[in-house]
Amino acid sequence: GENVEQHPSTLSVQEGDSAVIKCTYSDSASNYFPWYKQELGKRPQLIIDIRSNVGEKKDQRIAVTLNKTAKHFSLHITETQPEDSAVYFCAASGTNSGYSTLTFGKGTMLLVSP
Amino acid sequence: NAGVTQTPKFQVLKTGQSMTLQCAQDMNHNSMYWYRQDPGMGLRLIYYSASEGTTDKGEVPNGYNVSRLNKREFSLRLESAAPSQTSVYFCASRKTLVGLAGEQFFGPGTRLTVL
Repeated sequence: GENVEQHPSTLSVQEGDSAVIKCTYSDSASNYFPWYKQELGKRPQLIIDIRSNVGEKKDQRIAVTLNKTAKHFSLHITETQPEDSAVYFCAASGTNSGYSTLTFGKGTMLLVSP
Repeated sequence: NAGVTQTPKFQVLKTGQSMTLQCAQDMNHNSMYWYRQDPGMGLRLIYYSASEGTTDKGEVPNGYNVSRLNKREFSLRLESAAPSQTSVYFCASRKTLVGLAGEQFFGPGTRLTVL
């Protein structure tokens, strides 16, 4: 099955700095790569996703890049703000009994200090 | 729309007790999922239902059973709870497009403690 590795496990930045979180996946057939943000005590919520036919996608201060050859993808947050503090999860789609399921990384705790 | 709802929000069980976690969605989604979340382990898939009438095992199915009651509801049952099942359980749903993965919407979670 699919295996997703995520680094770093914790990341501390100053407000205004950029933050980068990296993930690798194992299944070359995976074709969908979402990123979820989870605030303390809340549910995970999708912040951005990318499909395998696209190399980069941006949405305001966040962007995701995908390198299919190397099987890795990254989340970039620019001009970080304290409200960006949360746990971020990457995931990769895989195929389980013919249907698509997600395999998640173990998460990165991002702390943005004012 | 309420989205994905889960009951209960919190539950404490003794070892060996049984219980059912309930999940419902009002988005007319075909696929539904149960995950558990443990510190430092991310979200791990327990069971899923690709469509009404079907269920399949995920990564960590041992000790659990599921029922897809209808298109809206997907329940998770612990027949004989163990301390290792102490976790936060999330239900999720997705509008399935054949051959195309897409966004999963999560419920608020159930925090379960087994003593």
